[in-house]
Amino acid sequence: DTAVSQTPKYLVTQMGNDKSIKCEQNLGHDTMYWYKQDSKKFLKIMFSYNNKELIINETVPNRFSPKSPDKAHLNLHINSLELGDSAVYFCASRKLAGGDEQFFGPGTRLTVL
Amino acid sequence: AQKITQTQPGMFVQEKEAVTLDCTYDTSDPSYGLFWYKQPSSGEMIFLIYQGSYDQQNATEGRYSLNFQKARKSANLVISASQLGDSAMYFCAMRERSTQGGSEKLVFGKGMKLTVNP
Repeated sequence: DTAVSQTPKYLVTQMGNDKSIKCEQNLGHDTMYWYKQDSKKFLKIMFSYNNKELIINETVPNRFSPKSPDKAHLNLHINSLELGDSAVYFCASRKLAGGDEQFFGPGTRLTVL
Repeated sequence: AQKITQTQPGMFVQEKEAVTLDCTYDTSDPSYGLFWYKQPSSGEMIFLIYQGSYDQQNATEGRYSLNFQKARKSANLVISASQLGDSAMYFCAMRERSTQGGSEKLVFGKGMKLTVNP
């Protein structure tokens, strides 16, 4: 039983392409996040959604557009991919009220050539 | 300014020994939470332990304990009886209230690599 799942696990693409990463959680959580882990392993939040509503946008370029069709899904679409977008992208979720732990997905390793 | 500081880039420990991973934090919010996550070479982020700022006792989860010293703003992770499978990156994180919409986010330290030797 996967709690937070992401697809694909690996994504290799050319500069300039558009790609999407999908995330689903079956925990009944209200809040979902996207984090980026760079080549130095530094993790930083990108977006947060509460009940399908965008709450946090941490100065991420407009080329990144998250979409939450429902509470259980948070997808990340990236336009005009650049070399610097190469990273591991993690989806995470938590309960809005009373939940402390953020549950992370397995990550998607994006490589832009 | 860095909010979570992990000064040890890497540590080595012998199997079965205890090891302490350092973490200091900076916040003016009286309500916060501190987390430790483990990231093995396979890449997933595994939650280990949580400490709330109002918790009176130090958190413990099996072989993991958190040495929470509020006045010193430190939240060190102690792993007792290290195992080979403990070799991984370890991240300290703080739950922080965002200025956007009152939501909360995790702010991570740079991580440190622990290697357990047989």
